[in-house]
Amino acid sequence: EIVLTQSPGTLSLSPGERATLSCRASQSVSSSYLAWYQQKPGQAPRLLIYGASSRATGIPDRFSGSGSGTDFTLTISRLEPEDFAVYYCQQYGSSPLTFGPGTKVDIK
Amino acid sequence: EVQLVESGGGLVQPGGSLRLSCAASGFTFSSYAMSWVRQAPGKGLEWVSAISGSGGSTYYADSVKGRFTISRDNSKNTLYLQMNSLRAEDTAVYYCAKQRVPYCSSTSCYQFDYWGQGTLVTVSS
Repeated sequence: EIVLTQSPGTLSLSPGERATLSCRASQSVSSSYLAWYQQKPGQAPRLLIYGASSRATGIPDRFSGSGSGTDFTLTISRLEPEDFAVYYCQQYGSSPLTFGPGTKVDIK
Repeated sequence: EVQLVESGGGLVQPGGSLRLSCAASGFTFSSYAMSWVRQAPGKGLEWVSAISGSGGSTYYADSVKGRFTISRDNSKNTLYLQMNSLRAEDTAVYYCAKQRVPYCSSTSCYQFDYWGQGTLVTVSS
């Protein structure tokens, strides 16, 4: 099973700042089968990025993903008020599918 | 508009059973594999089970294998999760989730572009 580790656990930033979230895998994620989700309190997760770097439908271009192998990054170029949430990475290159523990982005 | 609406959650005693349903609309249900993903209170996401579009292939997390059964009725556009021998650690919000890519049952297609609102399952005496 591929274990995903996310850092930092919490990121405290102000609106307008840049957010950089990390997701590290315990072994290589094949073909960059890595996705990112955003979850707000009381809501279901929302797909942001798939294939490590492809934005899902309707996702603003301030969200970008990069990385390969075992190291992946989600970048939010300029935080908007609605971006304060928990972000999860997920690998789907091998079974079982696994999620990281999440990074909470909160308002500084 | 894609909609996924779960139902069937509730309070159940340890060792008991529950069946969750997920009613789908707004897309060609039979073309997409579907999954159940759960989230324990205050915790992260855990994939539970998946089923191919035809229903012919099913997959389970080790934590539920032998206790949970995923199924679907494509004539009713409905996904199910039969949960038996429930344990306290099964307490969670259960989400049904639609795979982004049609006509694909490989693990490599399991990114989820639509999720239901979730249904809470509480296992407690």
